[in-house]
Amino acid sequence: KNQVEQSPQSLIILEGKNCTLQCNYTVSPFSNLRWYKQDTGRGPVSLTIMTFSENTKSNGRYTATLDADTKQSSLHITASQLSDSASYICVVSAIKNFGNEKLTFGTGTRLTIIP
Amino acid sequence: EADIYQTPRYLVIGTGKKITLECSQTMGHDKMYWYQQDPGMELHLIHYSYGVNSTEKGDLSSESTVSRIRTEHFPLTLESARPSHTSQYLCASSPLTGSNSPLHFGNGTRLTVT
Repeated sequence: KNQVEQSPQSLIILEGKNCTLQCNYTVSPFSNLRWYKQDTGRGPVSLTIMTFSENTKSNGRYTATLDADTKQSSLHITASQLSDSASYICVVSAIKNFGNEKLTFGTGTRLTIIP
Repeated sequence: EADIYQTPRYLVIGTGKKITLECSQTMGHDKMYWYQQDPGMELHLIHYSYGVNSTEKGDLSSESTVSRIRTEHFPLTLESARPSHTSQYLCASSPLTGSNSPLHFGNGTRLTVT
């Protein structure tokens, strides 16, 4: 069964500190891996999308890494801000027949930044 | 910021009522989706559409139905709401071409059935 597992489930850090969130997956055949940020009461917003050939991608203070061999990804947040408090969701895409893709969502890491 | 709108944001309704959750997007996207999300749980796909007059059921069985009469509009209907339907419903869209296109989500409708 295709799965996406994220760790930790929740994390609390001080404002200004860095943190790294993990995502392990068993989805195949792999197409791409996405990280989304979901603020409380809002819909998810895309941060990065990485294909098989990409192993690092940055979006401002967010840097995602991908190791397709070990099927692991991480999301590193630098110099955290209070507005980074949110759930971070890892999503893995598999290509199915006729080029359609199937997305498998992780349950997310709940990040809380405290002043 | 993505232009995809869901109404209402919150809905509290009694058992047995018929409800329609609205979703509209102004980006001209062909693909549209409905996801269900419970607190602390992953998103589950319940319906999707690849264009006008195209609708398919997703991975999670749902008693809801959808229609796609116009590109920009993808409403979800529950003929008879039950407490088990209490959840957050998220609508999303993406362009038809390119498997690496991100989903653009609306802010969801939180449904409570009493």
